[in-house]
Amino acid sequence: GQNIDQPTEMTATEGAIVQINCTYQTSGFNGLFWYQQHAGEAPTFLSYNVLDGLEEKGRFSSFLSRSKGYSYLLLKELQMKDSASYLCAVKDSNYQLIWGAGTKLIIKP
Amino acid sequence: GAVVSQHPSWVICKSGTSVKIECRSLDFQATTMFWYRQFPKQSLMLMATSNEGSKATYEQGVEKDKFLINHASLTLSTLTVTSAHPEDSSFYICSAGGGEAGSQPQHFGDGTRLSIL
Repeated sequence: GQNIDQPTEMTATEGAIVQINCTYQTSGFNGLFWYQQHAGEAPTFLSYNVLDGLEEKGRFSSFLSRSKGYSYLLLKELQMKDSASYLCAVKDSNYQLIWGAGTKLIIKP
Repeated sequence: GAVVSQHPSWVICKSGTSVKIECRSLDFQATTMFWYRQFPKQSLMLMATSNEGSKATYEQGVEKDKFLINHASLTLSTLTVTSAHPEDSSFYICSAGGGEAGSQPQHFGDGTRLSIL
């Protein structure tokens, strides 16, 4: 079967750095996406990786290792508004998105 | 960037009522749209894939006669919850784009919070 694993919840301090990991086992791979979802709102797109390596976009970076079936989202200079759930999703061989359950990130002052 | 509009944002209605939710892609054509449901503190659950001009593809366990999907144009898909009951109360979210190869992500509407009394 297809599976995506993320930690359920993480806590970090304002101004710090946090890394949210995602491991996947899917039938084929056509890219990995990270989304942010604030409570009561719809997800918003953060990043996309299809080749190995690091993609940087401002305070957020996303890394991919296809051989390990592994990705992480790195958030720097954490702000209180970064408190949200972060969803990892993989596009499989049929171009269907397989979603992780999300990681709830709690930022403390 | 791509914009997806979903309407209405909130619906509160009596049990037995049918509710229609609209999802529009405002600045691009979407041959494929997706309907999700999310219960409080739970992950997104894909209900169905809406295909323009053809029947929707429903995920296992989703009743196609209860959740009617119509995708009559390249910019509009509708989800009708027929004879809604309290257990259908949930957050319904549509998305468009990203159904093919490439880096295009799915873009989400703002969601519809449905409360059945």
